Amino acid sequence: KNQVEQSPQSLIILEGKNCTLQCNYTVSPFSNLRWYKQDTGRGPVSLTIMTFSENTKSNGRYTATLDADTKQSSLHITASQLSDSASYICVVSLSYSGYALNFGKGTSLLVTP
Amino acid sequence: DGGITQSPKYLFRKEGQNVTLSCEQNLNHDAMYWYRQDPGQGLRLIYYSQIVNDFQKGDIAEGYSVSREKKESFPLTVTSAQKNPTAFYLCASSGGLAPYEQYFGPGTRLTVT
Repeated sequence: KNQVEQSPQSLIILEGKNCTLQCNYTVSPFSNLRWYKQDTGRGPVSLTIMTFSENTKSNGRYTATLDADTKQSSLHITASQLSDSASYICVVSLSYSGYALNFGKGTSLLVTP
Repeated sequence: DGGITQSPKYLFRKEGQNVTLSCEQNLNHDAMYWYRQDPGQGLRLIYYSQIVNDFQKGDIAEGYSVSREKKESFPLTVTSAQKNPTAFYLCASSGGLAPYEQYFGPGTRLTVT
């Protein structure tokens, strides 16, 4: 059973609009939570990494939030651009070793003109 | 793609043949990983290596083999024992301090007919 659930599965928005992607996890013990962007046919690229003590972290127009108590995270994209069209993957780490990662299935975002 | 190269980009093989996917990194990272990505599913860990000449099975190692003779290289062999080898294969590496961010290669799409 996947311990990292993302919603929505897919999303279509107009260029310039904002959007928020959700991630709920049941992974325990929690070490850190990561958001990756994956363009079609390419490898994922890291957007943010947050430990349990961090509530929010930004990377340009991307802002991730984390509520470790409710085990929820969100990724907010501001003023979307066509290049934001991609799959956004939430990943929860079990340990500091780097290899025990639980991957969500991703949210597919399409930004249209 | 952060100093990680995978070759080839596309690979076609006949059923029953073994095939080796290349992964090279120049990031001086100790740890390397192989993942498999199927449509609609999260990434799944095949094998990982935390140091030269040592590697561990991931969640779906059956039908796969690896070697780690050099720090820079972590080739993956898909054997004829793998029941459903057609997939997108991603190599990653990590190093430095916690939380050991993983950097992904561009991926190899393997099609077996």
